[in-house]
Amino acid sequence: QKEVEQDPGPLSVPEGAIVSLNCTYSNSAFQYFMWYRQYSRKGPELLMYTYSSGNKEDGRFTAQVDKSSKYISLFIRDSQPSDSATYLCAMSVSGAGSYQLTFGKGTKLSVIP
Amino acid sequence: EAEVAQSPRYKITEKSQAVAFWCDPISGHATLYWYRQILGQGPELLVQFQDESVVDDSQLPKDRFSAERLKGVDSTLKIQPAELGDSAMYLCASSLSGQGITGELFFGEGSRLTVL
Repeated sequence: QKEVEQDPGPLSVPEGAIVSLNCTYSNSAFQYFMWYRQYSRKGPELLMYTYSSGNKEDGRFTAQVDKSSKYISLFIRDSQPSDSATYLCAMSVSGAGSYQLTFGKGTKLSVIP
Repeated sequence: EAEVAQSPRYKITEKSQAVAFWCDPISGHATLYWYRQILGQGPELLVQFQDESVVDDSQLPKDRFSAERLKGVDSTLKIQPAELGDSAMYLCASSLSGQGITGELFFGEGSRLTVL
């Protein structure tokens, strides 16, 4: 079992829909939880990160972390064609003076006009 | 806006040949990372530098891969000899010290390698 599991999709939604993207993980030591957006042939860019459990909102994006269920989500409201990209979850844990960032496989999202 | 520069963007090579990728991080970013992303997968860390020192190269196949950051600024990743399984996107990222754990990495556009 991989440490971070993410459904690769693809996921196709109409413009204006609410999108829900999810990851599960097995390592209860993970402390920080991130979501990245990666456009085709580009590097990932950080959308947001959260520490421990809870919600965080940034514009149309909301990240949720449920550590008891080892489950994280990213919600996109009023989705736009420009949101079409691959969304990667990632998690980190520190220890012995260093840290490890572990990525999911990514979910490919298409928002249809 | 400052960006991480990588070159070349695309590289096609035959197996057993040598290949090198170059990365120039954002000015002032002491931490530099090389990731490999196979198509359909998430990025996997190959090596992490803090200034000119390697802090993590546990996933770097050291029999064929090498990385250096001699003056603590730009960095080179080399593969010799290249194998078919090395076909992937090689991503360089940089961050301010201490911000890597929160995922505040800035990625370059990547170097896509195809090994024939």
